[in-house]
Amino acid sequence: NAGVMQNPRHLVRRRGQEARLRCSPMKGHSHVYWYRQLPEEGLKFMVYLQKENIIDESGMPKERFSAEFPKEGPSILRIQQVVRGDSAAYFCASSPLETGYTGELFFGEGSRLTVL
Amino acid sequence: AQSVTQPDIHITVSEGASLELRCNYSYGATPYLFWYVQSPGQGLQLLLKYFSGDTLVQGIKGFEAEFKRSQSSFNLRKPSVHWSDAAEYFCAVGAGTNAGKSTFGDGTTLTVKP
Repeated sequence: NAGVMQNPRHLVRRRGQEARLRCSPMKGHSHVYWYRQLPEEGLKFMVYLQKENIIDESGMPKERFSAEFPKEGPSILRIQQVVRGDSAAYFCASSPLETGYTGELFFGEGSRLTVL
Repeated sequence: AQSVTQPDIHITVSEGASLELRCNYSYGATPYLFWYVQSPGQGLQLLLKYFSGDTLVQGIKGFEAEFKRSQSSFNLRKPSVHWSDAAEYFCAVGAGTNAGKSTFGDGTTLTVKP
């Protein structure tokens, strides 16, 4: 499967625990984006990463949230000390690095976090 | 700052009828515009995109969209809807210098009646 892979698809955490969401981009893609979708809402940009670099994290909450995209392995979105308001679907998208890239995103199927 | 408005939260059409989903955007320069479709429990799939050239763009699954700069609109159309088109549809605008950082509308849910 050459698509964007996210895991886990579903994650249940109790308040105060940590959530780790993983994303492997499409083969040949070097850019990763994380978006959050709250119930009944559209997607909201969180963070944009390239390998070993955070390019734009303007959509990330200031506390408890962090993201990385190491040289080897998947991108990880980490949420510490989760609260009920973190319950959402978290989507990863990837894109290629190529001249003339016009912004279309290739999405994974999402990780749905439920905080009890 | 860029923004996207999808005025219709929910639309119901009969199978075989035509469809138009509205999208209005706000962006200072020439926008990169996208329509995505999301089936329940799934990720988003790109239907079509516009960034320059012909203002009427064709996409997958028989969809098309027309960019109207004067109205700041990018409405999605399909001449004959199929039951499998029932899904949620998102319009998005991308920034030119960081095109993957898109701003999404809140979506329109399409229900198709038999």
